[in-house]
Amino acid sequence: DQQVKQNSPSLSVQEGRISILNCDYTNSMFDYFLWYKKYPAEGPTFLISISSIKDKNEDGRFTVFLNKSAKHLSLHIVPSQPGDSAVYFCAAKDFGNEKLTFGTGTRLTIIP
Amino acid sequence: EPEVTQTPSHQVTQMGQEVILRCVPISNHLYFYWYRQILGQKVEFLVSFYNNEISEKSEIFDDQFSVERPDGSNFTLKIRSTKLEDSAMYFCADRGRDSPLHFGNGTRLTVT
Repeated sequence: DQQVKQNSPSLSVQEGRISILNCDYTNSMFDYFLWYKKYPAEGPTFLISISSIKDKNEDGRFTVFLNKSAKHLSLHIVPSQPGDSAVYFCAAKDFGNEKLTFGTGTRLTIIP
Repeated sequence: EPEVTQTPSHQVTQMGQEVILRCVPISNHLYFYWYRQILGQKVEFLVSFYNNEISEKSEIFDDQFSVERPDGSNFTLKIRSTKLEDSAMYFCADRGRDSPLHFGNGTRLTVT
């Protein structure tokens, strides 16, 4: 089941620069997308979401962009901080279903 | 901030034994879920529970699995006869009517 893909297993970014995490999906029924952050030995923590009626949503340092025609979303973190080092998962769901489908995650490392 | 609480943090059991994983959701949240993550793999949906019944379940959630909300506060996942391949992190999650999923910190289940 590869409906949600994060093709970069890891990413290293200098502190203060922009981090861009990418996610692709194949199921055109998905209409709601979320980003979660996960530290070791903890559960995923919700960061930001976007519905398919929008193409951008912003919350502080975090911005999610959705390109429906390309079935692609991205998470921008600016400026990146050391505490942002974690594994980031994108997830998607379609209207009427409860199930979230997760990507495999990208490990982000912020270099001081 | 209210949290989803899971106990125990680590459970070791022998193959064929029954295990019960426990979760205390955030009060006034109405929708409850179990997800799992096998080491090195994706976070996978198991089951959703609303209004005292299962609303959706995945193919993983076979007859060996059951969920219950016995006393209006705890939400439990029971595995009747554990198999080696049930070893994973099990995450409880919940949400309010229009909010994203909040996850607990997980129970690491090790089946030997």
